[in-house]
Amino acid sequence: EAGVTQFPSHSVIEKGQTVTLRCDPISGHDNLYWYRRVMGKEIKFLLHFVKESKQDESGMPNNRFLAERTGGTYSTLKVQPAELEDSGVYFCASSYGHFRSQYFGPGTRLLVL
Amino acid sequence: EDQVTQSPEALRLQEGESSSLNCSYTVSGLRGLFWYRQDPGKGPEFLFTLYSAGEEKEKERLKATLTKKESFLHITAPKPEDSATYLCAVQASRDLTQGGSEKLVFGKGTKLTVNP
Repeated sequence: EAGVTQFPSHSVIEKGQTVTLRCDPISGHDNLYWYRRVMGKEIKFLLHFVKESKQDESGMPNNRFLAERTGGTYSTLKVQPAELEDSGVYFCASSYGHFRSQYFGPGTRLLVL
Repeated sequence: EDQVTQSPEALRLQEGESSSLNCSYTVSGLRGLFWYRQDPGKGPEFLFTLYSAGEEKEKERLKATLTKKESFLHITAPKPEDSATYLCAVQASRDLTQGGSEKLVFGKGTKLTVNP
């Protein structure tokens, strides 16, 4: 069974540009989560989808971040415009059912110059 | 606010030298405590979930235990391939309809190095 996949694995952009990250959850998982880790800090929650609906977006830092999950399958996280402090590793995770173990993807390493 | 503190930040062991990693937490009602392993350049790999004080889980050389305030990850006779960063995370039990969340709150991790 394929795990959580994320694309791209790395992205280097300039301040002010737009970047879109993609996450494909484990097949059949209805819950999808986005997390990120900035340099030297712990992994922090961004938001949670149940199917195509946003269940919890309390961790989204500001309105430059837009997450979507069309059709309840894959998800995208767009940062527009990117700022220097957005650099970090963005992880996606998925789970089946409520309050179950979350399985993480390999992450997208974002560097904003 | 939910909080997780892991200690030590880094630990070096000789192959075969058993030890324990600590995860202290404060949460307003614990639904679950999770242990993950993370290798460089990769995402966290799920190891265990513990739900109540007194619970223990084992996998190969790893055993996780849980009390009301902390969890320990015991590593017995470690091998070099056990070298990784071990992450602890908690999930609160607040009802989703009452503004609860399924988010995981992570600690900063313990970087374990096992020398041959």
